[in-house]
Amino acid sequence: GQNIDQPTEMTATEGAIVQINCTYQTSGFNGLFWYQQHAGEAPTFLSYNVLDGLEEKGRFSSFLSRSKGYSYLLLKELQMKDSASYLCAVRDSNYQLIWGAGTKLIIKP
Amino acid sequence: IAGITQAPTSQILAAGRRMTLRCTQDMRHNAMYWYRQDLGLGLRLIHYSNTAGTTGKGEVPDGYSVSRANTDDFPLTLASAVPSQTSVYFCASSEVGAGEQFFGPGTRLTVL
Repeated sequence: GQNIDQPTEMTATEGAIVQINCTYQTSGFNGLFWYQQHAGEAPTFLSYNVLDGLEEKGRFSSFLSRSKGYSYLLLKELQMKDSASYLCAVRDSNYQLIWGAGTKLIIKP
Repeated sequence: IAGITQAPTSQILAAGRRMTLRCTQDMRHNAMYWYRQDLGLGLRLIHYSNTAGTTGKGEVPDGYSVSRANTDDFPLTLASAVPSQTSVYFCASSEVGAGEQFFGPGTRLTVL
């Protein structure tokens, strides 16, 4: 079967760095997405990786290792507004997105 | 209209009633999707459409139907609602086979 695993909840301090991991087992791989979802709102796109390595976009970076079925999202200089759920999704061989349950990130002052 | 709109925002529905959730996009995306999101679970695909006139079943299609008469609209119908269909429903769109999906604001549905 297809499976996306990520931690249920993480806590970090304002101004610090946090890494959210995602491991996947899917039928085929056509890219990995990270989305941010604030409580009561829709998911919004953060990053996309299809090749191995690190993609940097401002305070957010995303890493992919296809051989290990592993990705992480790195958030630097955490701000209170970063409190949200972070969703990992893999596009499978049918070009459909398979979603993890999300990681709720709590930022403390 | 900017992006994707969904209606209604929320709804309380008696079991056994028929309900249509509406979704409209103005980005001229070919592909559209319906997901449900339940606490502790990832987004689950109900139905999708890669182009007007075609639809496909996702992971959890039972009890739901869709139609795609044109590019912009993708309504989701619950023929006879059951309490297990209580959920938050998101509509999304994208270019086929590439790019990220853009989400509507969601419909919170409660079936009693």
